Amino acid sequence: SQQGEEDPQALSIQEGENATMNCSYKTSINNLQWYRQNSGRGLVHLILIRSNEREKHSGRLRVTLDTSKKSSSLLITASRAADTASYFCATDTISGTYKYIFGTGTRLKVLA
Amino acid sequence: KAGVTQTPRYLIKTRGQQVTLSCSPISGHRSVSWYQQTPGQGLQFLFEYFSETQRNKGNFPGRFSGRQFSNSRSEMNVSTLELGDSALYLCASSLGTEQETQYFGPGTRLLVL
Repeated sequence: SQQGEEDPQALSIQEGENATMNCSYKTSINNLQWYRQNSGRGLVHLILIRSNEREKHSGRLRVTLDTSKKSSSLLITASRAADTASYFCATDTISGTYKYIFGTGTRLKVLA
Repeated sequence: KAGVTQTPRYLIKTRGQQVTLSCSPISGHRSVSWYQQTPGQGLQFLFEYFSETQRNKGNFPGRFSGRQFSNSRSEMNVSTLELGDSALYLCASSLGTEQETQYFGPGTRLLVL
């Protein structure tokens, strides 16, 4: 079963706009990671945020984590056509089982 | 460093056959995890190996098995293939300690006819 669910399932924006996608999960976690996947290819790691962190930045990416609400958000600022992809969150359970559970993904389309 | 490599990239099999997929992790990484991705079920965890030992497994039938060699390379095997096994199979490597980033390979796309 899925640990995380991304919202929205699909998002279409114009180049230059910001894109925000959310991830909710069910159980306590050690960390949460965001990945990008282009057209059924391998996943590219974007950012890892630990359970004791609230916000993290990497270039045009900003990730927040609210462990009380069991949710995370990924913000991509000044989006580009090359950002068109599916975005997934992944969580590892706090029990340290070395098992990552992926969310359902958000399909982002950036229109030029 | 070279990334995670997976072979073959594409594979077509028929029902009842078996298949072996291979994954070479990033140099120095000792953990390899396998995932199955389908449109209906999304990304699902199959199993994880660390230092030749399976540390965890997901909820897949026994037809799905794997192993890891002393050089950390890993193979997964699916026996008695079913149509529903058609999927993108992804492997990911990491150092193997907690809270480590997983790096994914390009995947093997398996089609079962």
